[in-house]
Amino acid sequence: GQQLNQSPQSMFIQEGEDVSMNCTSSSIFNTWLWYKQEPGEGPVLLIALYKAGELTSNGRLTAQFGITRKDSFLNISASIPSDVGIYFCAGVDIYNQGGKLIFGQGTELSVKP
Amino acid sequence: DAGVIQSPRHEVTEMGQEVTLRCKPISGHDYLFWYRQTMMRGLELLIYFNNNVPIDDSGMPEDRFSAKMPNASFSTLKIQPSEPRDSAVYFCASSLKVDTQYFGPGTRLTVL
Repeated sequence: GQQLNQSPQSMFIQEGEDVSMNCTSSSIFNTWLWYKQEPGEGPVLLIALYKAGELTSNGRLTAQFGITRKDSFLNISASIPSDVGIYFCAGVDIYNQGGKLIFGQGTELSVKP
Repeated sequence: DAGVIQSPRHEVTEMGQEVTLRCKPISGHDYLFWYRQTMMRGLELLIYFNNNVPIDDSGMPEDRFSAKMPNASFSTLKIQPSEPRDSAVYFCASSLKVDTQYFGPGTRLTVL
């Protein structure tokens, strides 16, 4: 099915480093969401973005809704071992696709203590 | 407040058997979604409900799949008959606004 382009696919970093990942789409979205998924669990909502240009933080996490409405990025500052997991972006085009989330392929994050 | 509850967490069945997955959404949420996650296709929407009414079932793969929401606090996803290619993790999600969706822990289905 339709997917967003999420990069990088994986990251191996040292504890304390900052992390950046992004998603791009050929389609415009009204909402961007960022989720984290750990093994054997469901995706957990980290940040929701509703307006173009919006910059939102949640602790050490910061995400932005791109001005063009076709991209979003997520930054994690001062990474810690519990940040390990797969991070997914998701876009929503409410007016044309209702509640259907379109997901990126995920960024697998590994943090070395 | 309790999150989305799914049962069972794991299901192993043989090809041809009927499988029923259950979901209890977050109280007060008007939207309920069923997703499937596989390595090949990632997370895909199967169907979603608003106020217990199916709104979009275009993601349901075949007639073997059916979903119901008899009331605001319960939904089922049924596969009959099941096939090995149905093996996946099935997630239920709910939301107050159609876009901001909260996922349950999932049901890992294995069809032998």
